[in-house]
Amino acid sequence: DARVTQTPRHKVTEMGQEVTMRCQPILGHNTVFWYRQTMMQGLELLAYFRNRAPLDDSGMPKDRFSAEMPDATLATLKIQPSEPRDSAVYFCASGVSGGELFFGEGSRLTVL
Amino acid sequence: AQSVTQLDSQVPVFEEAPVELRCNYSSSVSVYLFWYVQYPNQGLQLLLKYLSGSTLVKGINGFEAEFNKSQTSFHLRKPSVHISDTAEYFCAVSDRAGGYNKLIFGAGTRLAVHP
Repeated sequence: DARVTQTPRHKVTEMGQEVTMRCQPILGHNTVFWYRQTMMQGLELLAYFRNRAPLDDSGMPKDRFSAEMPDATLATLKIQPSEPRDSAVYFCASGVSGGELFFGEGSRLTVL
Repeated sequence: AQSVTQLDSQVPVFEEAPVELRCNYSSSVSVYLFWYVQYPNQGLQLLLKYLSGSTLVKGINGFEAEFNKSQTSFHLRKPSVHISDTAEYFCAVSDRAGGYNKLIFGAGTRLAVHP
């Protein structure tokens, strides 16, 4: 049963700490997306990759957020330093160009 | 740029009643349209999509949606809802030229089905 796997599912950290969220896309998928979900802003597109190359990260706060794909099986989203306003659920999704997007179950981040 | 407006943040309905969740979009270019469902503590799951062709699209779980280009709408309907349909529903749009996958979501509509 192919699915997008995200870790950690839950993370509580203190302001100023570094947070790294990981995503394993479905094997064979060449597009990977990071979304952030909050009550106030809904689902926001943070960044996306095609064939491991970043295509658009305009939705991401550049000073503290970074997204990478070290290889085809791993995408990472890093926040350094974290702030309370970063508390949200972060979703990774993968797909093939021209096909359906499949979402992971999300990483719920709480920054105290 | 595209945007999506979901006109109702919450829709309460009784079991076996019909329901319509409204979605309007704004775009200067041709778009693809989608509806996703999110159950508590889960990711999003595709319900249905409009790419081209027939404006009436049928999806999973008995849902359907109609694309209306003149009204820039893509409302979701189900003739008879079940308790299990209680969830958050998101309308989304993607720019045909920019890529099928890059989705811009609406704020969501919480459907609450009561017995």
